[in-house]
Amino acid sequence: GESVGLHLPTLSVQEGDNSIINCAYSNSASDYFIWYKQESGKGPQFIIDIRSNMDKRQGQRVTVLLNKTVKHLSLQIAATQPGDSAVYFCAENAGGTSYGKLTFGQGTILTVHP
Amino acid sequence: EPEVTQTPSHQVTQMGQEVILRCVPISNHLYFYWYRQILGQKVEFLVSFYNNEISEKSEIFDDQFSVERPDGSNFTLKIRSTKLEDSAMYFCASREGAQPQHFGDGTRLSIL
Repeated sequence: GESVGLHLPTLSVQEGDNSIINCAYSNSASDYFIWYKQESGKGPQFIIDIRSNMDKRQGQRVTVLLNKTVKHLSLQIAATQPGDSAVYFCAENAGGTSYGKLTFGQGTILTVHP
Repeated sequence: EPEVTQTPSHQVTQMGQEVILRCVPISNHLYFYWYRQILGQKVEFLVSFYNNEISEKSEIFDDQFSVERPDGSNFTLKIRSTKLEDSAMYFCASREGAQPQHFGDGTRLSIL
């Protein structure tokens, strides 16, 4: 039968703007979260991670916020550049005996206009 | 910077044929994974591998699938009798300890 792809959320910003990409996760047992960037024809590229004992973590131009109460994760990109255009995925790991198995979200397409 | 490498980048196979996808994980990593991504969909976990055995596998990873670490550097995914619905990007990943997983650029598998 015909397979139907997901209609990914999209975010379109101007170069220099700040971007915020959101992700809702489902497993309250998840204790480790990662944001990945995927460019066309490439594999997921690690951006930043956060463990459940933190609610904020900063990297270079990126910040991840974790709200365990509402099971929500966000990625903030400061001064977004055209090279940031890609699909962004959040991924969660339930810890325990899951041996690092990651469950990915559906992804958000970020387009940065010069 | 060390990276996960996958070969081939694109594999075209007739339905019913066996296919082997190859990965060279980052050299000091001990945990290995295969994921797949059907076109336009999200990345799905297939299998994790540690200490020369499967740690966990998903429902997708049925008897037609197998993994092997034949030597100290390669990690392979074999699909014994391919089906049309096996067409997807297949990603290998590896990690060290509590560090995040690093992914290769994938093999595009096309089943005709």
